[in-house]
Amino acid sequence: GAVVSQHPSWVICKSGTSVKIECRSLDFQATTMFWYRQFPKQSLMLMATSNEGSKATYEQGVEKDKFLINHASLTLSTLTVTSAHPEDSSFYICSAPREGNTEAFFGQGTRLTVV
Amino acid sequence: AQTVTQSQPEMSVQEAETVTLSCTYDTSESDYYLFWYKQPPSRQMILVIRQEAYKQQNATENRFSVNFQKAAKSFSLKISDSQLGDAAMYFCAYRSVGNKLVFGAGTILRVKS
Repeated sequence: GAVVSQHPSWVICKSGTSVKIECRSLDFQATTMFWYRQFPKQSLMLMATSNEGSKATYEQGVEKDKFLINHASLTLSTLTVTSAHPEDSSFYICSAPREGNTEAFFGQGTRLTVV
Repeated sequence: AQTVTQSQPEMSVQEAETVTLSCTYDTSESDYYLFWYKQPPSRQMILVIRQEAYKQQNATENRFSVNFQKAAKSFSLKISDSQLGDAAMYFCAYRSVGNKLVFGAGTILRVKS
């Protein structure tokens, strides 16, 4: 099956710094990628839709200046959490649908802890 | 907007027994896909089973099967011969033609030996 790789799997950063999370489709091209946020024992909440070559589409309530998304190539989308605060600590997951497939493929997720 | 409801926060099943996880959804679309995903402690999302709305036949994957009732907008997952490795959080998800996935709140499944 298709593979989506997310890096890093976990990161600890100081409050006020920025953190970049990468999501790569390894064996297919993804014009669209999705970024989710998940709190412990809760569901995945869609944050934004990343579109290759154009601006990301953010869900209501998600600060686009806080969560910067770049989709510069057909195999890479990045999520940068800017000026991170402890409340940004969460599990972030990316996914990418593959053309011709009905399912979406998920990255391994990134556990972000802001101290 | 589409919504997905899982009314069972937690379920328990004895090893080798059968358990059914419930899911209902709300949509005005006629063409869509439904999924059940498993999220074990590793938190990697694993596809369990998928159902295309235009197919009347219920999907089956080995020990996993669904009861898809389109008119009732219901999509339950049945796990037969439950195994310890089935213990995880299960998410019901809806996908419209635009590819966006909407997830239910999830059901934690515990398997007792």
